[in-house]
Amino acid sequence: DQQVKQNSPSLSVQEGRISILNCDYTNSMFDYFLWYKKYPAEGPTFLISISSIKDKNEDGRFTVFLNKSAKHLSLHIVPSQPGDSAVYFCAAPTYNQGGKLIFGQGTELSVKP
Amino acid sequence: NAGVTQTPKFQVLKTGQSMTLQCAQDMNHEYMSWYRQDPGMGLRLIHYSVGAGITDQGEVPNGYNVSRSTTEDFPLRLLSAAPSQTSVYFCASSPGHLRSEAFFGQGTRLTVV
Repeated sequence: DQQVKQNSPSLSVQEGRISILNCDYTNSMFDYFLWYKKYPAEGPTFLISISSIKDKNEDGRFTVFLNKSAKHLSLHIVPSQPGDSAVYFCAAPTYNQGGKLIFGQGTELSVKP
Repeated sequence: NAGVTQTPKFQVLKTGQSMTLQCAQDMNHEYMSWYRQDPGMGLRLIHYSVGAGITDQGEVPNGYNVSRSTTEDFPLRLLSAAPSQTSVYFCASSPGHLRSEAFFGQGTRLTVV
């Protein structure tokens, strides 16, 4: 029962273009979402979050969009840079187990110079 | 500022051996958790703790034990290693309020042969 899904295992984008990473969820009780970025041989680091009372949250080059009716969120990176090459996970906290995070499978982004 | 520290970074075990993965955080966080990352499956919760003396099972607890005697430390014990436990293990901590971000350690790459 994969409650948070990232259906694209990988994405390749040219430097300077937009990267769009997608995430779908099935649990309508989720009301907060986080994106994490992970470089090889490092732990995930928090990137950006969004509450369900919003449909957009922006932080510099990173914007997350939330479509509650479609149970879909996306992370936009504009412009993409080679240093953005990493695995990106979306996650949602569940409140019945102390706020444990449910993670998607991850999308590996490769930004080519 | 150390954050979340995991040791060791790499480990090779023989089937049937036991070992303890160490995790320590210096942020006075109440909530700590252990995840494993496997290809195509994202991060899955093994065990978590909402405070010293309190632990509970996550999605994939079989074959693992945890204890939380102090706020700072949350070791993960493999009782009798199996090849299916070959994975990358991440410890995480968070302040514990429901929308707080989690901070991850660098990970332990475990191979069971």
